Amino acid sequence: QQQVKQSPQSLIVQKGGISIINCAYENTAFDYFPWYQQFPGKGPALLIAIRPDVSEKKEGRFTISFNKSAKQFSLHIMDSQPGDSATYFCAASRAGNMLTFGGGTRLMVKP
Amino acid sequence: EAGVAQSPRYKIIEKRQSVAFWCNPISGHATLYWYQQILGQGPKLLIQFQNNGVVDDSQLPKDRFSAERLKGVDSTLKIQPAKLEDSAVYLCASSLPPRNRHEQFFGPGTRLTVL
Repeated sequence: QQQVKQSPQSLIVQKGGISIINCAYENTAFDYFPWYQQFPGKGPALLIAIRPDVSEKKEGRFTISFNKSAKQFSLHIMDSQPGDSATYFCAASRAGNMLTFGGGTRLMVKP
Repeated sequence: EAGVAQSPRYKIIEKRQSVAFWCNPISGHATLYWYQQILGQGPKLLIQFQNNGVVDDSQLPKDRFSAERLKGVDSTLKIQPAKLEDSAVYLCASSLPPRNRHEQFFGPGTRLTVL
């Protein structure tokens, strides 16, 4: 079963706070785990991605934590800003082919 | 660099009618994907092309959906006949061959409403 489960469905965070979104996958053949950000009326855009040979990747305020044994990975947004308000999708793929997306998390950052 | 282009941006049709969507990928991107995104859900892959060949169409409802990528560049996705449950945003994405890079670049999508 190629499924990716994402939580929470929605998240409200105060400006400057930490936003945390979690994902779990089932297929151990997945070898690429990206996070996409989507604004209303736009297509998803790649935010950050990780491969299973590392446990953490940081790019600016965005960090992915990866737990291969638990088959879980998470996105942390430090110092969250109102401009970060968007829908975030985790995804997974094998050998660079079809992405399997999670259900999405709608993030709202309050000023 | 121009992004992935899609048209039309919006389409409203009656059920049982036909509709077609067009996608122009980023220049040089050999791999092209069509996704269906139902409101409130994540995108679901419908079909993946490598140049003008189909790599994966296992989730394409072939009784009503068809897609082609003639000459390995532009692509069209067709629904015939449309059902109410086909109301969604249809996203096109492109990438370099999977063995080189994994990032998929998405277009703005076509929002389809079936009445």
